[in-house]
Amino acid sequence: GAVVSQHPSWVICKSGTSVKIECRSLDFQATTMFWYRQFPKQSLMLMATSNEGSKATYEQGVEKDKFLINHASLTLSTLTVTSAHPEDSSFYICSALAQTQYFGPGTRLLVL
Amino acid sequence: LAKTTQPISMDSYEGQEVNITCSHNNIATNDYITWYQQFPSQGPRFIIQGYKTKVTNEVASLFIPADRKSSTLSLPRVSLSDTAVYYCLVGDHAGNNRKLIWGLGTSLAVNP
Repeated sequence: GAVVSQHPSWVICKSGTSVKIECRSLDFQATTMFWYRQFPKQSLMLMATSNEGSKATYEQGVEKDKFLINHASLTLSTLTVTSAHPEDSSFYICSALAQTQYFGPGTRLLVL
Repeated sequence: LAKTTQPISMDSYEGQEVNITCSHNNIATNDYITWYQQFPSQGPRFIIQGYKTKVTNEVASLFIPADRKSSTLSLPRVSLSDTAVYYCLVGDHAGNNRKLIWGLGTSLAVNP
């Protein structure tokens, strides 16, 4: 139980394009999902908290207009990186909250 | 939010028991203690969670003293596949503040 999937697992895009990452809770419903970013050899950094049916809560320093989050259902949250630049290249991980946070496998984004 | 302190790295050998201790002096009454395992380029995997005393599951044990200012994750008879980064986190998973602060974790190397 408590399986979370992410799609795509990796993506390469050109600078200036937008990329959408999906996070799904496969066998449970999650009112709350979280989006993290992780750079090499570093820990996870919380970007935003996604709540079903309401606006996401962004952490300080994270641009809400650049990282668009939509939590349209109890099993799906999406993160769209708009006008991506090379500095947005990173490992993006989502988690869904049940009795604890269960994490997806991550999405590797490379912006050329 | 409570901060945690754990060793940056540890070395062990196959078949040994590994104990990783985490300090969380400012843990709040409502906080639980959760441990995650992360392999390179993968999302964290939930290992175990506890509030007080001892918790055991099929992969690990978690020891929490009465004052709850520290906790110890015990991995019995480690194998090479247990080489990973282990994170200790404290937080109120069921309350309004569900954010978890991620430290650098403990990088465990299991040698043959």
